[in-house]
Amino acid sequence: DAGVTQSPTHLIKTRGQQVTLRCSPKSGHDTVSWYQQALGQGPQFIFQYYEEEERQRGNFPDRFSGHQFPNYSSELNVNALLLGDSALYLCASSWGGASNTEAFFGQGTRLTVV
Amino acid sequence: DAKTTQPPSMDCAEGRAANLPCNHSTISGNEYVYWYRQIHSQGPQYIIHGLKNNETNEMASLIITEDRKSSTLILPHATLRDTAVYYCIVRVTPSNTGKLIFGQGTTLQVKP
Repeated sequence: DAGVTQSPTHLIKTRGQQVTLRCSPKSGHDTVSWYQQALGQGPQFIFQYYEEEERQRGNFPDRFSGHQFPNYSSELNVNALLLGDSALYLCASSWGGASNTEAFFGQGTRLTVV
Repeated sequence: DAKTTQPPSMDCAEGRAANLPCNHSTISGNEYVYWYRQIHSQGPQYIIHGLKNNETNEMASLIITEDRKSSTLILPHATLRDTAVYYCIVRVTPSNTGKLIFGQGTTLQVKP
């Protein structure tokens, strides 16, 4: 049973460019959440997707957008990259139908903006 | 979601029990206590969660005080592989099944 998989594992982009990160949830999960983790900090919630719609959003600008596909996989898009967007981006999946369930995380994508 | 307070760092001798405290004095009646850990350069790993009763699984035990204002994660026999950042999180379910609010966590260093 595959867990949460993210691609790519590492990425280097130039300031001003756009980037797309991908996430496949754990089998049986239908909810995907994205987090940004700066060096030395805890992960910060970006947004959550459920039934192909953004259900919740954290305090991130509109440059951060996402999408969820019918197979529950998800993409995180960041436009007009800033140096401060350099971070580990984590995807977490869970089952939206349960009232008390844990989220499982992928290994993350390390984004470096130069 | 309620705020949690954890010590920034702790040491533990290999083979001994590691007891990681967490204060969550503003926790609401419908908020669960969750523990995750993050080993260097990996994604966070779920450990255990509970509402008001003590919980135990193959990884750890969770002791929640009767007033629910604090809890302790216990790793009964710490190994070097348990060296990680441990996060205590409180959250409401079912409306926020994926959203987790992480603090700074406790860096646990297990020493030989």
